[in-house]
Amino acid sequence: AQSVTQLDSHVSVSEGTPVLLRCNYSSSYSPSLFWYVQHPNKGLQLLLKYTSAATLVKGINGFEAEFKKSETSFHLTKPSAHMSDAAEYFCVVSDGKTSYDKVIFGPGTSLSVIP
Amino acid sequence: DAGVIQSPRHEVTEMGQEVTLRCKPISGHNSLFWYRQTMMRGLELLIYFNNNVPIDDSGMPEDRFSAKMPNASFSTLKIQPSEPRDSAVYFCASRSDGAYGELFFGEGSRLTVL
Repeated sequence: AQSVTQLDSHVSVSEGTPVLLRCNYSSSYSPSLFWYVQHPNKGLQLLLKYTSAATLVKGINGFEAEFKKSETSFHLTKPSAHMSDAAEYFCVVSDGKTSYDKVIFGPGTSLSVIP
Repeated sequence: DAGVIQSPRHEVTEMGQEVTLRCKPISGHNSLFWYRQTMMRGLELLIYFNNNVPIDDSGMPEDRFSAKMPNASFSTLKIQPSEPRDSAVYFCASRSDGAYGELFFGEGSRLTVL
């Protein structure tokens, strides 16, 4: 069965410093992995996705994530935080084997950016 | 494309009333998902459809909740009777079979049950 763990429920960084949001997953097959962002009172927007191509994935707004199969991790990083990055971030796993796959969301990490 | 369209965006109702939330997925998408988001429980998958057929409804909290997808362009989530603990934001999302599971979300329907 699939599952997703986001190791930090809340992360706080200063503007201009690096961001690291951690995610570990469990999947029976070769998974598809995603990061979504949700700004306050908004819907969810795709940041980036891994689908068995390059293990280092670049997304929007300067974010990137690296798929590490040996560690079952898919951590999200950004070199320099901006105030507009303050939001909730969700790590997501899908087995991707069939169109019937569930898409499982992690519990989310709330990112605060301090001026 | 207009994206996933949900209505109403906001609904305030009294306990015991019937609530119907609506979703129009992106044209051509084969799968549709209903999620509920609360502060206490986070984002929960309620039910998902593939080609208009319910695949997994194990997340539906109880018999008061029901969901239908009569055709490829429309789905409803109904709560009858509603209770204050149903207050949440309900999201609909759709995806194409060829999109490696990428979901496209609507803006959500914020439900308040008094």
